[in-house]
Amino acid sequence: DADVTQTPRNRITKTGKRIMLECSQTKGHDRMYWYRQDPGLGLRLIYYSFDVKDINKGEISDGYSVSRQAQAKFSLSLESAIPNQTALYFCATSESWTGRNEQFFGPGTRLTVL
Amino acid sequence: AQKITQTQPGMFVQEKEAVTLDCTYDTSDQSYGLFWYKQPSSGEMIFLIYQGSYDEQNATEGRYSLNFQKARKSANLVISASQLGDSAMYFCAMSFSGGSNYKLTFGKGTLLTVNP
Repeated sequence: DADVTQTPRNRITKTGKRIMLECSQTKGHDRMYWYRQDPGLGLRLIYYSFDVKDINKGEISDGYSVSRQAQAKFSLSLESAIPNQTALYFCATSESWTGRNEQFFGPGTRLTVL
Repeated sequence: AQKITQTQPGMFVQEKEAVTLDCTYDTSDQSYGLFWYKQPSSGEMIFLIYQGSYDEQNATEGRYSLNFQKARKSANLVISASQLGDSAMYFCAMSFSGGSNYKLTFGKGTLLTVNP
């Protein structure tokens, strides 16, 4: 079984709808991240969480919110989706004690906002 | 500000040949880490190799090696004996010490095509 899972894998929604993307991990890592990937722009950090009570904005957090329900679960919400939020979204995890910040990625969620 | 630059939007290589993907970085930090990730057409991000800024030897993982030239601030990925399955997007990324040590900064990627 995959260590980092994301649901759904694909989603098509309409402008103005609220949508939640979910991420679960079995790696036992304390840190979790949400990124979005747009063609030609690489990956950009939306939010990150060092533990259940520590959530921080990344470089492009506007229009998004997150919830860390447990150490293993980190969800991303789009309160009112807009077309320019169409992208590939990745959840990632890492463990703080190694100092390397090696991040392990989920399979991605392809989101289309019409 | 920290920055990763991948100057090759696309690269072509013949099967069984070696290929080098370029990555340069800009930072004033002394302690940092360099990563390469592979993204096949299926979309997942696969970790390939890691190099710490204080590591004296270049990192190697199977057919992957990282040519780390600290003075030039470059961290090129070398893939030996290319295979058709190596066709993918490759991203260089960097992590930093101190207050921003949570963050991975990614380059924009290089699309590698392996020809038979």
